[in-house]
Amino acid sequence: KQEVTQIPAALSVPEGENLVLNCSFTDSAIYNLQWFRQDPGKGLTSLLLIQSSQREQTSGRLNASLDKSSGRSTLYIAASQPGDSATYLCAVRHYYGGSQGNLIFGKGTKLSVKP
Amino acid sequence: DTGVSQDPRHKITKRGQNVTFRCDPISEHNRLYWYRQTLGQGPEFLTYFQNEAQLEKSRLLSDRFSAERPKGSFSTLEIQRTEQGDSAMYLCASSLRQASSTNEKLFFGSGTQLSVL
Repeated sequence: KQEVTQIPAALSVPEGENLVLNCSFTDSAIYNLQWFRQDPGKGLTSLLLIQSSQREQTSGRLNASLDKSSGRSTLYIAASQPGDSATYLCAVRHYYGGSQGNLIFGKGTKLSVKP
Repeated sequence: DTGVSQDPRHKITKRGQNVTFRCDPISEHNRLYWYRQTLGQGPEFLTYFQNEAQLEKSRLLSDRFSAERPKGSFSTLEIQRTEQGDSAMYLCASSLRQASSTNEKLFFGSGTQLSVL
């Protein structure tokens, strides 16, 4: 059974700091891994998608890496800003048993960036 | 912007009542997903459609839950005889699946927050 774990559960940093969020998954049979942002009481906003054959993706101040063999992904946020404060979720699209697969989510890392 | 829209945003109901939520996906998307999220947890998969066909249902989707996507466009999720344990955020997502799921990206709506009293 695929399980996704995110560490730490919460993180507080001063503005301007670079930071790394971690995601691990137990089964390497995945199509892709997706990072999302969720603001309180809101839906999810897709940040980056890394296909299983890729090693990393970048968008602005965000860089996500994927090491499928070790079951790990990181989300690097450069020069953090208070507006980055949110919960960050990673999800893997896995496949097994002929299923088309669906996203399996971690519980998220709640990030707080202090001015 | 024609993103994924969900209606209503909030629903308060009494235990035992039936509720129905609606999701309008991004217009060209052929897949539509329903997820449920409780406080402090990641979203959990409930079911998904490809066009009008419901292809997969989670064990979480008890007999009291039913989802439809009659014309392959909007979808409804109905919960019958609601229980307090049904209180959660119900999220809808859509995607365009082409040849493979490798680059299939899900776009989520803002969710419907259900409170069962």
